Amino acid sequence: QSALTQPASVSGSPGQSVTISCTGTSNDVGANDYVSWYQQHPGKAPKLMIYDVTNRPSGVSNRFSGSKSGNTASLTISGLQAEDEADYYCSSYTTNSNPFYVFGTGTEVTVL
Amino acid sequence: QVQLQESGPGLVKPSETLSLTCTVSGASISNDYWSWIRQPPGKGLEWIGYIYYSGRTNYHPSLRSRVTMSIDTSKSQFSLRLTSMTAADTAVYYCAKGAGWWGYWGQGTLVTVSS
Repeated sequence: QSALTQPASVSGSPGQSVTISCTGTSNDVGANDYVSWYQQHPGKAPKLMIYDVTNRPSGVSNRFSGSKSGNTASLTISGLQAEDEADYYCSSYTTNSNPFYVFGTGTEVTVL
Repeated sequence: QVQLQESGPGLVKPSETLSLTCTVSGASISNDYWSWIRQPPGKGLEWIGYIYYSGRTNYHPSLRSRVTMSIDTSKSQFSLRLTSMTAADTAVYYCAKGAGWWGYWGQGTLVTVSS
């Protein structure tokens, strides 16, 4: 029932790329393709950025991309912009005996 | 467009029961899943559970003994009931559309547990 592990913070200069990792186990991230990513600005509700590992909802910039390898999922932000500065959370379905959804610990992205 | 709006008390006393309602507009509450997610101040997100339009539910194991969700399709509303509230339940509570991934969220409502 532990949260998925994300780095506390990542940073980059405008135009650069940053990648946020989301590490789980063979019972969650490694077991299915139900990994999603959320962007949250201060005082706002989270916004869906990626679902089912790699899919981008309509309206989300193609600068955001998702991938997965084994028990680790990743969100890459290309061409970093000031508006990308926010907290990011991953989420996954778990396949324990009582399946449920778990979020990551969250990553603060800073644009230098 | 799809909109969700939470409503309920902002302050709950310890040991009391929290009741929140989410009103959905711009989408049919039928044929879909509806979730509650919370976020303690300054902390990360925690999935509480979901309810299907048929009434089928699934709750987070750590909250299962205290949580009840219900749905009223005639009012396009679904509700959360959390018993035996403690300070650890102080959080912004969000309602959201879906299960597995959540594309639409309410603005959130801060619930503080204090005497």
